[in-house]
Amino acid sequence: DAGVIQSPRHEVTEMGQEVTLRCKPISGHDYLFWYRQTMMRGLELLIYFNNNVPIDDSGMPEDRFSAKMPNASFSTLKIQPSEPRDSAVYFCASSQNQGKGNTIYFGEGSWLTVV
Amino acid sequence: AQSVTQLGSHVSVSEGALVLLRCNYSSSVPPYLFWYVQYPNQGLQLLLKYTSAATLVKGINGFEAEFKKSETSFHLTKPSAHMSDAAEYFCAVSFNDMRFGAGTRLTVKP
Repeated sequence: DAGVIQSPRHEVTEMGQEVTLRCKPISGHDYLFWYRQTMMRGLELLIYFNNNVPIDDSGMPEDRFSAKMPNASFSTLKIQPSEPRDSAVYFCASSQNQGKGNTIYFGEGSWLTVV
Repeated sequence: AQSVTQLGSHVSVSEGALVLLRCNYSSSVPPYLFWYVQYPNQGLQLLLKYTSAATLVKGINGFEAEFKKSETSFHLTKPSAHMSDAAEYFCAVSFNDMRFGAGTRLTVKP
């Protein structure tokens, strides 16, 4: 089975540009999570979806960040406009029936550098 | 709210020595607890998880963890460290979502 697939793996962009990160969860998983990892703040949960519906976006840092899940097999995290402090690794993860101790499976991450 | 605290951001052991990575949890309900490992430039992989069955949980690569309710702990151990164990280790607690500790970087000296 394919795992969680993220693209791009690496992106370098200039401040002010729009960045779109993409994720394909594991087939059959009904929860999807976006995390951000930095040295300073560790792993932060940005937002998660259940059955394509955003459930908790309290971790989204500001209005420049937005996430969508138009269908069960695709999600995007968009940053517009991007800033140097957005440089981080962004992980997408998915699981089944979260809340019952089910494992969350992570993608390989998208390494974002904003210059 | 549920949370985990990892004690020690960096642990260094010699090859063949005992590995002990500490995690304490805070939860108002019986928790689901996890240990994940992250190798350089990779995503997180599940090592093991506790879901209220046996209190001693065995995972991959020879790791195990013991759930101790009286101590609100879920420490990760391995009897004998290997060079390939060098990585970042995260403790996590799950309810509707999953919250991670700050991570512990394990260094293994030859």
